[in-house]
Amino acid sequence: QKEVEQDPGPLSVPEGAIVSLNCTYSNSAFQYFMWYRQYSRKGPELLMYTYSSGNKEDGRFTAQVDKSSKYISLFIRDSQPSDSATYLCAMTGGFKTIFGAGTRLFVKA
Amino acid sequence: DGGITQSPKYLFRKEGQNVTLSCEQNLNHDAMYWYRQDPGQGLRLIYYSQIVNDFQKGDIAEGYSVSREKKESFPLTVTSAQKNPTAFYLCASTEGPTDTQYFGPGTRLTVL
Repeated sequence: QKEVEQDPGPLSVPEGAIVSLNCTYSNSAFQYFMWYRQYSRKGPELLMYTYSSGNKEDGRFTAQVDKSSKYISLFIRDSQPSDSATYLCAMTGGFKTIFGAGTRLFVKA
Repeated sequence: DGGITQSPKYLFRKEGQNVTLSCEQNLNHDAMYWYRQDPGQGLRLIYYSQIVNDFQKGDIAEGYSVSREKKESFPLTVTSAQKNPTAFYLCASTEGPTDTQYFGPGTRLTVL
């Protein structure tokens, strides 16, 4: 079993839709949870960073962490074509960061 | 303007050749990392360094080598021993080991 599971998609939605991206993990030692956005042929860029269970909001993006279920989510409201990218979840504990495989998102105009 | 630079953006290598990928950061970060990204897979850690003149193997270090002579620089050499080197290589850095990682733009290596 992989330490982090993420559905690779692709996920295709119309402009304006609410997008839900998810990851599950198995190692309860993970303490910090991140979401990265990666455009084609570019390096990942940090979107959201959370530590505790609960929600964190930044503009159209909301990150949700449920440590009891070992489940994290990223919600994108009012999705735009410019949100089309691959979204990677990541989590860290100790000296190691584990990345999900990434979900490819397409937002159609 | 602080950040991480990687060069070259695209690199072509003939089988049997060693090539070196450059990674430079001006963020004053102590820790630096090299990842490999293949389609449909997560980032896989090749090597990491927490301090100058020290580095550790990651999950897939075979066929790769690194050096960390300066805080700002962490070059990666892909040797001829790496059997399947065609991939997208990403360099990252953090202030500390549990901090979030900041990535460079990547180098796409193709073996001809």
